[in-house]
Amino acid sequence: SQKIEQNSEALNIQEGKTATLTCNYTNYSPAYLQWYRQDPGRGPVFLLLIRENEKEKRKERLKVTFDTTLKQSLFHITASQPADSATYLCALAKAAGNKLTFGGGTRVLVKP
Amino acid sequence: KAGVTQTPRYLIKTRGQQVTLSCSPISGHRSVSWYQQTPGQGLQFLFEYFSETQRNKGNFPGRFSGRQFSNSRSEMNVSTLELGDSALYLCASSLLDSPYEQYFGPGTRLTVT
Repeated sequence: SQKIEQNSEALNIQEGKTATLTCNYTNYSPAYLQWYRQDPGRGPVFLLLIRENEKEKRKERLKVTFDTTLKQSLFHITASQPADSATYLCALAKAAGNKLTFGGGTRVLVKP
Repeated sequence: KAGVTQTPRYLIKTRGQQVTLSCSPISGHRSVSWYQQTPGQGLQFLFEYFSETQRNKGNFPGRFSGRQFSNSRSEMNVSTLELGDSALYLCASSLLDSPYEQYFGPGTRLTVT
């Protein structure tokens, strides 16, 4: 069956450092991979989308890589700030339709 | 533009009852998807509607149903509520030409007692 794994342990990181999160998947051939941020009590907020034929995408302090051979995506937050503290979710989608399959999320805590 | 709105925000129901949740997408968005979020199972896809038609469906029992109106507003219904249906129900909308960037509402917190 399809499986998407994110590190369930919280990531504690010092302000200014780079946070790196991992998303691994099995039994899936996604056309797209997305990252979302979710704060407590709120809905997820879209951050970045990367297609299967793209290796890397950047947006401000965020960077995503996508390796379809390793079936893995890495999500980096550079120069992290306490305001970056949240849960980050990866989600995969096939080419047709809007059915997103989410990983369990990784909580990030940036300490000043 | 106003974001995705969901009503009600909080709901308490008793086992066996039914519930209807409402979602208003961002203006111009024609695709509406529904998700269930629980601590144990995470975010799980329920169904997606586009132009009043169900386009995708997740692995949930038939007690979960939905519909979309001509103005793209959507409702989901859960009949014969079970304790395990307690969850945060999230609605997301997206544009026709950017289908994979989804905009989520704040959710409806449903508690079944």
